[in-house]
Amino acid sequence: GQNIDQPTEMTATEGAIVQINCTYQTSGFNGLFWYQQHAGEAPTFLSYNVLDGLEEKGRFSSFLSRSKGYSYLLLKELQMKDSASYLCAAIDRGSTLGRLYFGRGTQLTVWP
Amino acid sequence: EAGVAQSPRYKIIEKRQSVAFWCNPISGHATLYWYQQILGQGPKLLIQFQNNGVVDDSQLPKDRFSAERLKGVDSTLKIQPAKLEDSAVYLCASSPRRFDRGSYEQYFGPGTRLTVT
Repeated sequence: GQNIDQPTEMTATEGAIVQINCTYQTSGFNGLFWYQQHAGEAPTFLSYNVLDGLEEKGRFSSFLSRSKGYSYLLLKELQMKDSASYLCAAIDRGSTLGRLYFGRGTQLTVWP
Repeated sequence: EAGVAQSPRYKIIEKRQSVAFWCNPISGHATLYWYQQILGQGPKLLIQFQNNGVVDDSQLPKDRFSAERLKGVDSTLKIQPAKLEDSAVYLCASSPRRFDRGSYEQYFGPGTRLTVT
């Protein structure tokens, strides 16, 4: 089966750095997405990792270790607008090609 | 580039009633997805279309849910009859390339928030 696990909630202060972890177990793993979702809005794409290592994109970085079934999203220089839910999702190329399995999301609250 | 459009944005119905949601994907996107997102959870795939054919509907409760994508563009998702547990946000997403060609980025619409009373 598929299992995506991430913390339910995290808090941090403006200007700080926060790391949101995600562990996954899927058959036929083919990549890991991170999405940001503000309350009442659609998820928006942040990053996609298919190879091991760190991908940096501005204030956001994402890391993947395929051997450990582990990823994290690193947010630097936190801003109030970063308060949102962060969804980890794994692509499963098992029996169903290209299906995306989402975790429950990590609700991040940034305090002034 | 216009994004994924969905309507209505909000819908309140009583249990056992019927409801339909509409989605217009980004122009030229071949793959279309419907997700159900219950409060506090991540989106769960209901059905995936490639052009106007169904790729995956294994998670669709077919006794009450149906979906179609005529002409490979717009799509509708219907629930008949609705149950209390169907209260959720229904998200439509589209992807520019074929799912089997290694590109899986999905663009989401704003969603339809359904409340069943």
